[in-house]
Amino acid sequence: EAEVAQSPRYKITEKSQAVAFWCDPISGHATLYWYRQILGQGPELLVQFQDESVVDDSQLPKDRFSAERLKGVDSTLKIQPAELGDSAMYLCASSLVATRSYNEQFFGPGTRLTVL
Amino acid sequence: AQRVTQPEKLLSVFKGAPVELKCNYSYSGSPELFWYVQYSRQRLQLLLRHISRESIKGFTADLNKGETSFHLKKPFAQEEDSAMYYCALSANAGKSTFGDGTTLTVKP
Repeated sequence: EAEVAQSPRYKITEKSQAVAFWCDPISGHATLYWYRQILGQGPELLVQFQDESVVDDSQLPKDRFSAERLKGVDSTLKIQPAELGDSAMYLCASSLVATRSYNEQFFGPGTRLTVL
Repeated sequence: AQRVTQPEKLLSVFKGAPVELKCNYSYSGSPELFWYVQYSRQRLQLLLRHISRESIKGFTADLNKGETSFHLKKPFAQEEDSAMYYCALSANAGKSTFGDGTTLTVKP
């Protein structure tokens, strides 16, 4: 069964360093989402792609975060420089297409980031 | 702005007892509501969506637009239902907002 892949699964870094996370969505899924989940809270959408285009990045801290999906397939989320408050689980999800009638999202296992 | 509120962080019931996980939302349009579940050491996955009006693993959820609620119910809880449950709202173009989740524990 096809699944969303993410790497690395765990990342420990020091503040002010750069980190990058990778996501490979389910084949054929046009929509890709990056979420941040702080311990004890629900996932918060950071950025949503439709193919290679950004549909929503209103909650992405653009001074330090960037995301790309150059060929409309896999995606990279980068943080530079990392801050202590960035410690969280970073989830990637994909869906066939984001429409009003069908929006089931399939989630990856997440990347657990710890910033020291 | 869209918001999802799950008032209970923790919910504990005995096996065989009814269970209801509460979800309230605020959204100015016509939302799509979902329940996602995360079992221990597994990925977050869709449990059910209001548009399907289906029962999954014995769970049902009815959208009450008057009360802006989408509570998840099951008449007889099972131990394997123990998990984290998230209510989510999807607006136009698929932007999703999740609640902070409820941890359900079903005791034997």
